[in-house]
Amino acid sequence: EPEVTQTPSHQVTQMGQEVILRCVPISNHLYFYWYRQILGQKVEFLVSFYNNEISEKSEIFDDQFSVERPDGSNFTLKIRSTKLEDSAMYFCASSLGGLEETQYFGPGTRLLVL
Amino acid sequence: GENVEQHPSTLSVQEGDSAVIKCTYSDSASNYFPWYKQELGKGPQLIIDIRSNVGEKKDQRIAVTLNKTAKHFSLHITETQPEDSAVYFCAASSLLNTGFQKLVFGTGTRLLVSP
Repeated sequence: EPEVTQTPSHQVTQMGQEVILRCVPISNHLYFYWYRQILGQKVEFLVSFYNNEISEKSEIFDDQFSVERPDGSNFTLKIRSTKLEDSAMYFCASSLGGLEETQYFGPGTRLLVL
Repeated sequence: GENVEQHPSTLSVQEGDSAVIKCTYSDSASNYFPWYKQELGKGPQLIIDIRSNVGEKKDQRIAVTLNKTAKHFSLHITETQPEDSAVYFCAASSLLNTGFQKLVFGTGTRLLVSP
């Protein structure tokens, strides 16, 4: 069964450093998302991406964040200058779109900013 | 924007009992309501979903009901098993004409099924 994959599974970084989180969505899906889950809290929407453009972004997704689909398979989330409060689990999701709106989530990347 | 409330935050049941988790939403435009199960260290996995043109949906031991008037929906798990132990999240969204869905999640329910 096709699934969303994410790398790395864990990342530790120093405050102020740049990180890139990578995702490979399900191959025929057209809509891509990033969500964040701070430890013990609910999953929060960050951004959605379709047709090489951001469709919608939340207040969390400020100028320090960017997303890119550099090739036909990868979807990345970049945090330019990490802050302590960026420590969280980051989930990528994808969906086929239209009436098939089910979003499939990857296993997540646990980011720890020291 | 949409706001989703979920209760209870924790739920302990004995194996074989039923478990019910309830959610309310605020945006009457929401028309899609998935439930996700999250096991420790893993991403949310869809277990069942319901659309606003349906009042109830069942899949083996899992069922979801939706009351559009009251803006609440519930997850029912019957004959619970220890492997049902996990955190369950409800979510709500509306499908935009771009085909995009922004899921708004509830706060989660930690279900513990004791043998």
